[in-house]
Amino acid sequence: EVQLVESGGGLLKPGGSLRLSCAASGFTFSRFSMTWVRQAPGKGLEWVSSINSNSAFIYYEDSVRGRFTISRDNANDSLFLQMDSLRVDDTAVYYCARCHFRSGYPSHFDYWGQGIQVTVS
Amino acid sequence: QSVLTQPPSVSAAPGQKVTITCSGSSSNIGRNYVSWYQQVPGAAPKLLIYDNDKRSSGIPDRFSGSKSGTSATLGISGLQTGDESEYYCATWDSNLTPGFVFGTGTKVTVL
Repeated sequence: EVQLVESGGGLLKPGGSLRLSCAASGFTFSRFSMTWVRQAPGKGLEWVSSINSNSAFIYYEDSVRGRFTISRDNANDSLFLQMDSLRVDDTAVYYCARCHFRSGYPSHFDYWGQGIQVTVS
Repeated sequence: QSVLTQPPSVSAAPGQKVTITCSGSSSNIGRNYVSWYQQVPGAAPKLLIYDNDKRSSGIPDRFSGSKSGTSATLGISGLQTGDESEYYCATWDSNLTPGFVFGTGTKVTVL
């Protein structure tokens, strides 16, 4: 059974840093691309970042580029999101998800974690 | 403001059919695959449709997807009370600053 479990969320002040982790199990992690998606309170889904299986292709949403860094550890089946210079509008539930690429770009996300709350206030 | 526009809400009686449209442009839906997600409040999204019209594993054939030009459509037939959820379309946008985009979301209500 595919499982994705996020950790590392919390409450912090603007300008702070946080590192989210996502532990994957139930599939061969090193063969799949991964992604982070967030959802602000009462709002819709917003894509944050995606990384392919060998970290050769990485994409960021405009508002987080330069502040967030996605990475992965295939030896330990883990995905990370380093978030720096956090802002109030980064407050959201952050989901990690397994990602499929088409023609070199993220196409769809088939398994999702339960989400982790990040609050910047 | 999302580049993919969906109606805020649609509704129908149990057993009826609803369709949700997702309007985009030549830089997103017009050239890339569309996926659809269902999200119950307080839960993680679930993939329903990928590659425009392929059902994800375990998704009943009451759910269907299609794409034409710069628009995509999700159909839900034989509506059930359990289908009451928020639905999002999504695709890659190959614009000047490319990125993955979700639609504005549609609330489906079973009357």
